[in-house]
Amino acid sequence: NAGVTQTPKFRVLKTGQSMTLLCAQDMNHEYMYWYRQDPGMGLRLIHYSVGEGTTAKGEVPDGYNVSRLKKQNFLLGLESAAPSQTSVYFCASTRGWSSNQPQHFGDGTRLSIL
Amino acid sequence: KNEVEQSPQNLTAQEGEFITINCSYSVGISALHWLQQHPGGGIVSLFMLSSGKKKHGRLIATINIQEKHSSLHITASHPRDSAVYICAVPGGSQGNLIFGKGTKLSVKP
Repeated sequence: NAGVTQTPKFRVLKTGQSMTLLCAQDMNHEYMYWYRQDPGMGLRLIHYSVGEGTTAKGEVPDGYNVSRLKKQNFLLGLESAAPSQTSVYFCASTRGWSSNQPQHFGDGTRLSIL
Repeated sequence: KNEVEQSPQNLTAQEGEFITINCSYSVGISALHWLQQHPGGGIVSLFMLSSGKKKHGRLIATINIQEKHSSLHITASHPRDSAVYICAVPGGSQGNLIFGKGTKLSVKP
């Protein structure tokens, strides 16, 4: 039972570099989310997807892009990394939009931008 | 937008103590989530509740919908309970959650 798998777990980038974070879920969930977690703050929503081929902006989308070409995968891209994007990134998925659906989280990706 | 406040921010307890973590929110909801995050680890869902009380082992979660308040209790605390406990509420029709800042619990042997 893999659940939600995030890769990589750690990464160090230089300012201006690009990279893609991968989230994969094996629960056939429709809804997927990318959050970032910063010290002293609650998790904040970056982008989300309500199904294959659809994406939408969350609370803090600037500097990020996403794609959901396959239902099980949700990719988060940083085109030109900035130090302000140093954070821990979490992917989550859920079956539907109902508030009574549990959310399943990955183990997180710790990203440092130098 | 719903505002989620947790207290305390940090909590240190001795093994065996009874622990209470509080969560309040500003806008009425249909369900509330309690999550656990271990140091360096991922986030796991502990409870999802819409009314009354739920119990799982030594963990008990309660919610008062009218007062917009929930509590997480840990009975007979143990060092392995040391973690960050996060309260979260639904963010809207997109199914995301709005999170509190978390309560960092440290249980000393």
